[in-house]
Amino acid sequence: NAGVTQTPKFQVLKTGQSMTLQCAQDMNHNSMYWYRQDPGMGLRLIYYSASEGTTDKGEVPNGYNVSRLNKREFSLRLESAAPSQTSVYFCASSPEWTGVNFGPGTRLTVL
Amino acid sequence: KNEVEQSPQNLTAQEGEFITINCSYSVGISALHWLQQHPGGGIVSLFMLSSGKKKHGRLIATINIQEKHSSLHITASHPRDSAVYICAAHFQGAQKLVFGQGTRLTINP
Repeated sequence: NAGVTQTPKFQVLKTGQSMTLQCAQDMNHNSMYWYRQDPGMGLRLIYYSASEGTTDKGEVPNGYNVSRLNKREFSLRLESAAPSQTSVYFCASSPEWTGVNFGPGTRLTVL
Repeated sequence: KNEVEQSPQNLTAQEGEFITINCSYSVGISALHWLQQHPGGGIVSLFMLSSGKKKHGRLIATINIQEKHSSLHITASHPRDSAVYICAAHFQGAQKLVFGQGTRLTINP
C-alpha cells in the first residue's frame, strides 16, 4: 500500500496563477481532508469530504475549491493564487473514527 | 466550542530525561490522536486512543476521559525524538479533527 500520496511535492506560483493539488489514497477510506500548515498556526482544515460525492468547508476555505472525484481521489484547486496561500498543504484520510493517515505534504510558494 | 490545548508549546531537555506533553480538550470526544512531525517532514500518527493507555516502544499515551486530558510520555529520551508533537481530537458528533497547536520538543545530547 502506498497510503496517502500527494503531488506535486513542491510548487512555485506567481500571484493570479491557478493550480490543482492532487491527493490519492489506496486504503479504501471514506473520509479525506485538506489542511494547511503555517508557522505558529498549527494545522487548519480547508475542506473535508466524508464520502464520495460530498464535500464540506473547514476553517479556512476561502480561495480554494475541492473535488472528490471518486473514493480514492480528493483534489484541491487554487483558482487565483495569492501570497497568503503560501503554505505547506497536507492531505489526509481516515476510516471513520479510527486513525488518520497523512500524505507527505506539498510546499507551495506564491510570489 | 470544540477546542484542544497543548502544553508546553516548547520543551527542551537533555538526552535520557523523561518527557511529558499534555493535551486538554473542551467537550466529549470519540477519539484522541497523537501525531509526530519531524522538521521538514511529514506527519506520522503515533497513537489513537479513546480510553486508558497505550504503549509503543519508549512512547506511552494516556487519557483521562473524566478530566478531558491526555498525556504523551517519552522515556529515556533521545535526540532523534526531537520533533513537533501534535494532539488532535475527534469530537463526538463532529466529522473532523481539531488540532492542538503542537509542542516543539528538542532533546540535546
